[in-house]
Amino acid sequence: DIQMTQSPSSLSASVGDRVTITCRASQGIRNDLGWYQQKPGKAPKRLISAASSLQSGVPSRFSGSGSGTEFTLTISSLQPEDFATYYCLQHNSYLRTFGQGTKVEIK
Amino acid sequence: EVHLVESGGGLVQPGGSLRLSCAASGFTFRNYWMNWVRQAPGKGLEWVANIYQDGSEKHYVDSVKGRFTISRDNAKNSLYLEMNSLRAEDTAVYYCANLYSDYWGQGTLVTVSS
Repeated sequence: DIQMTQSPSSLSASVGDRVTITCRASQGIRNDLGWYQQKPGKAPKRLISAASSLQSGVPSRFSGSGSGTEFTLTISSLQPEDFATYYCLQHNSYLRTFGQGTKVEIK
Repeated sequence: EVHLVESGGGLVQPGGSLRLSCAASGFTFRNYWMNWVRQAPGKGLEWVANIYQDGSEKHYVDSVKGRFTISRDNAKNSLYLEMNSLRAEDTAVYYCANLYSDYWGQGTLVTVSS
């Protein structure tokens, strides 16, 4: 099974900061990775598909990069509405795997 | 408008059984893999199982293999999760999801406790 290691597990940042979250796959997954945002009590929402494709309606301050085993989600200028938990999800294998999550908190 | 509505959650004793249902509308249900994803209280997301368009292929996370069964009825636009031999660690909100299209239900809470 493919394991996804996401880091950090949490971070504190201020409005306007640049934030970077990383996911590492235990084996190569090409670009079969999505990034999700989840707010308390809500279902997750996909921000990025195919490692770097921004979903329709998602602000351009979000970007994704990477291929193979290492992937990055970047928020270029953190906004108040971005405080949430973020997850990666690999779909290279029929057995999908989420990363452990990164909680982005207000500094 | 797309809707995925889960039902069937509740309180069950360890070792018990529960059947979750998910009613889909607003998209061509039979054309998509469907998934169950769960989230234990205060924890991260965990993919549980998925099923091919016609139900001929199914996959499960190791922790539920042999205990949970995913199924679907395309005539009723419905997805199911039969859960047996439930354990305390199965306590979670269970989401029905079309991960390809990023459609999610609101979730149904399953609590396994004596």
